[in-house]
Amino acid sequence: GESVGLHLPTLSVQEGDNSIINCAYSNSASDYFIWYKQESGKGPQFIIDIRSNMDKRQGQRVTVLLNKTVKHLSLQIAATQPGDSAVYFCAERAGFQKLVFGTGTRLLVSP
Amino acid sequence: DADVTQTPRNRITKTGKRIMLECSQTKGHDRMYWYRQDPGLGLRLIYYSFDVKDINKGEISDGYSVSRQAQAKFSLSLESAIPNQTALYFCATSAPGQGKDTQYFGPGTRLTVL
Repeated sequence: GESVGLHLPTLSVQEGDNSIINCAYSNSASDYFIWYKQESGKGPQFIIDIRSNMDKRQGQRVTVLLNKTVKHLSLQIAATQPGDSAVYFCAERAGFQKLVFGTGTRLLVSP
Repeated sequence: DADVTQTPRNRITKTGKRIMLECSQTKGHDRMYWYRQDPGLGLRLIYYSFDVKDINKGEISDGYSVSRQAQAKFSLSLESAIPNQTALYFCATSAPGQGKDTQYFGPGTRLTVL
């Protein structure tokens, strides 16, 4: 079956550093991936997505990298700020447009 | 996302009670979803609806039912609540296109079953 996992449950960084959050997926047929940010008491918020025909996609301070060979997805946040502290989820589209979510990585940014 | 609203935001109820959680959206999306979130388990899909006449079970539908009253409204019911249904519940919407199907989430409902 499909599964989406994360290498690290908690990532602690200093303000201004770059953050890298990793995600492994198991379904080689997945064709669409999303990163969500969830702040305490709120619903998941879309950050960035990538289709399987791409290796890299950049947004504002965020970059998603997709390595289909090893089924690995990462989210890079440049110049991490305290407001970036949250839980980050990756999700893959499995089968007929249903998303499968990972358990999340908590990012802690200290000043 | 303010375009997806959920009511109530918090609810405490007793075992055996019937509970309805409501979701409304102004995004004009055809697809709507109900998820449950538990610590360490991530988001799990309960039910989803691709249009008003379409209802599908997700991975954990037992103990739940849904109603798609209109394109903009999708409600989740717990017919007889039990304590292990204590969780955060999220509604989401999407509109597939260009090979994507980004889901947009509501603020969540925190349900406690005593």
